Amino acid sequence: GQQVMQIPQYQHVQEGEDFTTYCNSSTTLSNIQWYKQRPGGHPVFLIQLVKSGEVKKQKRLTFQFGEAKKNSSLHITATQTTDVGTYFCAGPWGSTLGRLYFGRGTQLTVWP
Amino acid sequence: DGGITQSPKYLFRKEGQNVTLSCEQNLNHDAMYWYRQDPGQGLRLIYYSQIVNDFQKGDIAEGYSVSREKKESFPLTVTSAQKNPTAFYLCASSGAGGPIYGYTFGSGTRLTVV
Repeated sequence: GQQVMQIPQYQHVQEGEDFTTYCNSSTTLSNIQWYKQRPGGHPVFLIQLVKSGEVKKQKRLTFQFGEAKKNSSLHITATQTTDVGTYFCAGPWGSTLGRLYFGRGTQLTVWP
Repeated sequence: DGGITQSPKYLFRKEGQNVTLSCEQNLNHDAMYWYRQDPGQGLRLIYYSQIVNDFQKGDIAEGYSVSREKKESFPLTVTSAQKNPTAFYLCASSGAGGPIYGYTFGSGTRLTVV
């Protein structure tokens, strides 16, 4: 079954608007990772969060890890057309630490 | 530059045929993974290997087989037993400590059954 829920599945915004995607798990996570996949491309690792309540920024991207380490979010400020793509969260859910479980992703479309 | 090379980029298969997808990495990573991606389904794990000569089934291993005879190589065979093989296949690797430092993905192989 699905190890992590990611919402929304699709998001359409006008350039300059903000965007947020959320990742939720029923179990505590040791860490969570975020990936971006451009249309027609492959996923690219963006960042890893490990600590409870951790917040990391990469230019216009802000990543948060919840206090209970069961949820995470990715927020993009003032979207640009270069932000188009699908954003995935992933984590080593459960006892099988040798693998990651990926959320279904949020597909972001940015209108110019 | 280090990375993961997947070939071919596009592959067409007739029903009833086996095909093998290549995945080679020069990152000196111990662990390698095969994922399948379908529209709206995200990434689903087929097989993974944490060390040479050892591999484990993922969530959708039926109809697929792998081998890990060399650290650098992790080929995936899509057998005729896979009923719906048309998909985008992604190979990934991770370094010492497993996936906690992030996966590196190859550029993928798009398989179409004709």
